[in-house]
Amino acid sequence: SYVLTQPPSVSVAPGQTARITCGGNNIGSKSVHWYQQKPGQAPVLVVYDDSDRPSGIPERFSGSNSGNTATLTISRVEAGDEADYYCQVWDSSSDHPPYVFGTGTKVTVL
Amino acid sequence: EVQLVESGGGLVQPGGSLRLSCAASGFTFSSYEMNWVRQAPGKGLEWVSYISSSGSTIYYADSVKGRFTISRDNAKNSLYLQMNSLRAEDTAVYYCAREGNRDGYNLGYFDYWGQGTLVTVSS
Repeated sequence: SYVLTQPPSVSVAPGQTARITCGGNNIGSKSVHWYQQKPGQAPVLVVYDDSDRPSGIPERFSGSNSGNTATLTISRVEAGDEADYYCQVWDSSSDHPPYVFGTGTKVTVL
Repeated sequence: EVQLVESGGGLVQPGGSLRLSCAASGFTFSSYEMNWVRQAPGKGLEWVSYISSSGSTIYYADSVKGRFTISRDNAKNSLYLQMNSLRAEDTAVYYCAREGNRDGYNLGYFDYWGQGTLVTVSS
């Protein structure tokens, strides 16, 4: 089945930029979605279709996808951005499984 | 306001059964594909099962195939997960999640999630 690999952790100072990568074979050919999950809470969609933001998500959250790596970028990081982040793809041509999550990245704001 | 509220979790012995429910409100439930996603304690997200808006198409993760059954009742705006032959490794918070939809086409991502219900499989 398709595997998505993320770094376990990323640390960033307030006001700086955090970049979270999501690696997968030819992931650039797929649409990548990103979720934020704070402790004890359900995941929240922050980026869909590589780079679009749902309503209510700050412009500080952006995404890109090319080749074998997709990236979620958080600009001007705030303390409230500290959370786990997961990438996800949907392989509509497969049912094994059709929805795949990345391994997750814990973002720590220093 | 879209709301998804799970219920039915609890402590069950290995080999036992449990039925989870997800009550939906704030949107036209019958128009959306729905999913169950779980998260073991301290672990990442794992997709469990999908059901189409009509209930005619269903998918399962290999880890639960043959043991879990997803279903829905569009008249009651409810999603279900019947879990049989439960194992310790099924211990997790189970989330119901709505799949994004535009013009009748599902979009492959989960735009709304419930708060989750904890299932603990232990003797």
